[in-house]
Amino acid sequence: SAVISQKPSRDICQRGTSLTIQCQVDSQVTMMFWYRQQPGQSLTLIATANQGSEATYESGFVIDKFPISRPNLTFSTLTVSNMSPEDSSIYLCSAPTPGGYGYTFGSGTRLTVV
Amino acid sequence: RKEVEQDPGPFNVPEGATVAFNCTYSNSASQSFFWYRQDCRKEPKLLMSVYSSGNEDGRFTAQLNRASQYISLLIRDSKLSDSATYLCVVNGPPDSNYQLIWGAGTKLIIKP
Repeated sequence: SAVISQKPSRDICQRGTSLTIQCQVDSQVTMMFWYRQQPGQSLTLIATANQGSEATYESGFVIDKFPISRPNLTFSTLTVSNMSPEDSSIYLCSAPTPGGYGYTFGSGTRLTVV
Repeated sequence: RKEVEQDPGPFNVPEGATVAFNCTYSNSASQSFFWYRQDCRKEPKLLMSVYSSGNEDGRFTAQLNRASQYISLLIRDSKLSDSATYLCVVNGPPDSNYQLIWGAGTKLIIKP
């Protein structure tokens, strides 16, 4: 299966600042996905990152708050901008698993905004 | 009604017991179904894809009932290491680009 390296694994940030999360995939993938997971809850899709085009955002998420880059088929970043304590969560990137069975996830970024 | 709904947890079962999880989905056009496992403070990992004919992998059996729109996961001879949250995942409708819809998860605790 694909291996996705995600960093940072955790961070504590001051409100009003921004944090950029990076994901590197060990194989080329057309789509990458960014999720948020609140404690004790399931995953919520933030956006789909396609190489060569703008990311597609889900309802409730906007580009100004969560800008995404996808410079090539193995890399993507998600920025959490102008953070507030409500942004404290786990952020996960994901990509389709080679062979077409399911999706592989990065190890997650645990963000705490104080 | 939630798009993907799972049994509320947690399930506390003794080691060696058999445990079953159910998951219902609302979109009858869904084609892909998965069970993921998520350990505490870890990312989700694919446990099994669920096929129409049902499938088995060791102690784990997954079944799909399209008529009733539910999938199930059966764990036999449960081990302490099976303790985790189990997430049911279904693909969404065509107009969502078949986006994955995640259940809230069922927490399983295996006791010695």
